[in-house]
Amino acid sequence: DAKTTQPNSMESNEEEPVHLPCNHSTISGTDYIHWYRQLPSQGPEYVIHGLTSNVNNRMASLAIAEDRKSSTLILHRATLRDAAVYYCILRDVGVGGANSKLTFGKGITLSVRP
Amino acid sequence: KAGVTQTPRYLIKTRGQQVTLSCSPISGHRSVSWYQQTPGQGLQFLFEYFSETQRNKGNFPGRFSGRQFSNSRSEMNVSTLELGDSALYLCASSLGVTGGELFFGEGSRLTVL
Repeated sequence: DAKTTQPNSMESNEEEPVHLPCNHSTISGTDYIHWYRQLPSQGPEYVIHGLTSNVNNRMASLAIAEDRKSSTLILHRATLRDAAVYYCILRDVGVGGANSKLTFGKGITLSVRP
Repeated sequence: KAGVTQTPRYLIKTRGQQVTLSCSPISGHRSVSWYQQTPGQGLQFLFEYFSETQRNKGNFPGRFSGRQFSNSRSEMNVSTLELGDSALYLCASSLGVTGGELFFGEGSRLTVL
């Protein structure tokens, strides 16, 4: 499985934007970039995913580098509820790619200061 | 709509015993996958079932097994429990189609004494 590299932790102030980086230099053409987050005492929660173009949804934005070797999850206005571990995951949707096997790394722990 | 339901939420077993965990997916979802989460190893994929067939398997010993029923509900079983099996076991359901997001339950926390 292609691997991702994330910083161990980041801090943000409430109501400020947060940019969470992810490097995936060995990404293949059939890998989608997925982000999940895990709040304390909960299961992971889907945040966003993309292939080549930048993506926006109600939770966040995903900016993907032109060479696809890195991406950035953007939380536009951090709240205390956004404090969680954020996982950047490559998901192969090539042959047989509808499977649910996700390879989680250690993720990045986001702390939000009031 | 109702989310993914896992039972039991907490359980304590002793070494050598076996345990069965249950997962009810979101209505209409045909894929159920299982993950183990420990502080040391993080989240690790166990296996996935789709339409009652195992579609993928992670790198776990044969003591870990699972099945899926015709209503998409799934169970996983761990036999001959070891101390290292203490973990949070998470179930996720999805439509099972390309790119479909996974919806996770809150997990079953197993403690092996």
